[in-house]
Amino acid sequence: DAGVIQSPRHEVTEMGQEVTLRCKPISGHDYLFWYRQTMMRGLELLIYFNNNVPIDDSGMPEDRFSAKMPNASFSTLKIQPSEPRDSAVYFCASSATSGGLNEQFFGPGTRLTVL
Amino acid sequence: SQQGEEDPQALSIQEGENATMNCSYKTSINNLQWYRQNSGRGLVHLILIRSNEREKHSGRLRVTLDTSKKSSSLLITASRAADTASYFCATDAPGYALNFGKGTSLLVTP
Repeated sequence: DAGVIQSPRHEVTEMGQEVTLRCKPISGHDYLFWYRQTMMRGLELLIYFNNNVPIDDSGMPEDRFSAKMPNASFSTLKIQPSEPRDSAVYFCASSATSGGLNEQFFGPGTRLTVL
Repeated sequence: SQQGEEDPQALSIQEGENATMNCSYKTSINNLQWYRQNSGRGLVHLILIRSNEREKHSGRLRVTLDTSKKSSSLLITASRAADTASYFCATDAPGYALNFGKGTSLLVTP
């Protein structure tokens, strides 16, 4: 398996622009997580899905952030409009409930810079 | 929310030495996990220890768990330059989520 795939790997945009981050989880995994990592705040859970359904979005910072999972193999995280304080590395991770353990597999991340 | 807190924040050792990192958490857990993050990469799962286990080994890694003290430690023996990375503990959260600490940054110099 190729692991969790994220695109783009790097994104530089200007304040006010819409940003869309993409994630393909590991095939067969039924949980998908979106995280944001910054030096100041560490690794923050933004939202997670189970079987394509959003379970907890309490970590989404503002209404400017939205996430979708239209099918088991694809998810997006959208920021509209983007602001400089959104600059961070965004990770997608997936896990499988089979076996009852919640080990998570992370993608390589998308480094977002908002100017 | 972050439940686990790693200590120290940063650790610098020489190759061949052992590295010990600690994690403290606040509420009861079902299991605790350790992850490694190399610079510019995603986190990689290292080891999971269940709440009814006290010690677990995986290669050069040794993890202990003391539920009475709500703490865990990760020991890397005979460290190598390639072990240079940040190490995070993660405790289970409601649902299948995890709470990650802020990590220990380990530097192993040749």
